[in-house]
Amino acid sequence: NAGVTQTPKFQVLKTGQSMTLQCAQDMNHNSMYWYRQDPGMGLRLIYYSASEGTTDKGEVPNGYNVSRLNKREFSLRLESAAPSQTSVYFCASSVVKDSWWGYTFGSGTRLTVV
Amino acid sequence: KQEVTQIPAALSVPEGENLVLNCSFTDSAIYNLQWFRQDPGKGLTSLLLIQSSQREQTSGRLNASLDKSSGRSTLYIAASQPGDSATYLCAGYSGTYKYIFGTGTRLKVLA
Repeated sequence: NAGVTQTPKFQVLKTGQSMTLQCAQDMNHNSMYWYRQDPGMGLRLIYYSASEGTTDKGEVPNGYNVSRLNKREFSLRLESAAPSQTSVYFCASSVVKDSWWGYTFGSGTRLTVV
Repeated sequence: KQEVTQIPAALSVPEGENLVLNCSFTDSAIYNLQWFRQDPGKGLTSLLLIQSSQREQTSGRLNASLDKSSGRSTLYIAASQPGDSATYLCAGYSGTYKYIFGTGTRLKVLA
């Protein structure tokens, strides 16, 4: 099925460990995004990639890095995980051409840092 | 800074009722607006997208409207069903490749 695929779905890390969250879309969308969702805070943008080869910071980029590997794939890396990074992470993609055609979201990665 | 408020934060209604969810933006410069549904522990499912040239969109029992002059959007759900129980999120696009999300309305439809 076409859409946005995120891996893994669940992950538990110890403080200081690193990991990479993977995201791939097969809809030929040009823009991709990483959000985190926390209770009472809504969705907050971490990083986005307007097009292949470009990345930009969002609202809460500290502690994260991203790579737009190609048009399909956009990964999020936590270099040294902290308990404050416990959250649900969502990847999204969209077409931005002449107009904005809305987001398609992945199913999320639930990350716990202990 | 653009902020989004969704009212009410939570809503519980009997099955069959028509209901309205509200979304308002501090900055009325909204070009597009999207409504999402999120079930517990799941991702976001797009419901309706209103483009900059449109004022409303309809899909089945759902109707969403956008009043750009006031920076407000409403999601109307007709003849609510228990399966409509979920959190509903609005998100507005005002440029620079990203949406601003509201914190959602938790809806419970009682059988």
